[in-house]
Amino acid sequence: SQQGEEDPQALSIQEGENATMNCSYKTSINNLQWYRQNSGRGLVHLILIRSNEREKHSGRLRVTLDTSKKSSSLLITASRAADTASYFCAFMTTDSWGKLQFGAGTQVVVTP
Amino acid sequence: NAGVTQTPKFQVLKTGQSMTLQCAQDMNHEYMSWYRQDPGMGLRLIHYSVGAGITDQGEVPNGYNVSRSTTEDFPLRLLSAAPSQTSVYFCASSWGTGDSYEQYFGPGTRLTVT
Repeated sequence: SQQGEEDPQALSIQEGENATMNCSYKTSINNLQWYRQNSGRGLVHLILIRSNEREKHSGRLRVTLDTSKKSSSLLITASRAADTASYFCAFMTTDSWGKLQFGAGTQVVVTP
Repeated sequence: NAGVTQTPKFQVLKTGQSMTLQCAQDMNHEYMSWYRQDPGMGLRLIHYSVGAGITDQGEVPNGYNVSRSTTEDFPLRLLSAAPSQTSVYFCASSWGTGDSYEQYFGPGTRLTVT
């Protein structure tokens, strides 16, 4: 069973627009990570947010975490064609330490 | 550093055959793991290891075996391949076991079982 869910499943935007995707989880976590996967490649780590943080920035990425709602969002600002990829959240629940779990991912297509 | 390497890149098996997917890392990482990725389902953890000689089951371990005799290598064995094991397999490694550690992924092995 998948402990994390992401929405939307797919997102199509034009260059320059912002892209927002959400991740929800079911039980308590300590930290949450976001990864990017380009087509046919392995995943690449983007950013980590700790449970005592509400917001974190890295370049054009902004991540929020709401532990009361058990959800996180990833915002990509001023998107570029190179941002076309699938984006996954990942976390370890406090009752399954050592087992990193991934959401189903959001597929983002940025058209020039 | 080569990072995380996986071989082969592609493999076709017949039902019932066995094979080993290779994974190696040269970053001296303690934690290594295997995932399978199926369309629309994200990544699911098969097995993981927190150090040489220590392995544990993930979410979908049935039909797979692992061992960790060295820090560098973490092979995944398919005992008797089934069509349901058609998937893309990713190996990953990190400095530590906790969720505050960035995972480094290999390029994947695309496996088809006929």
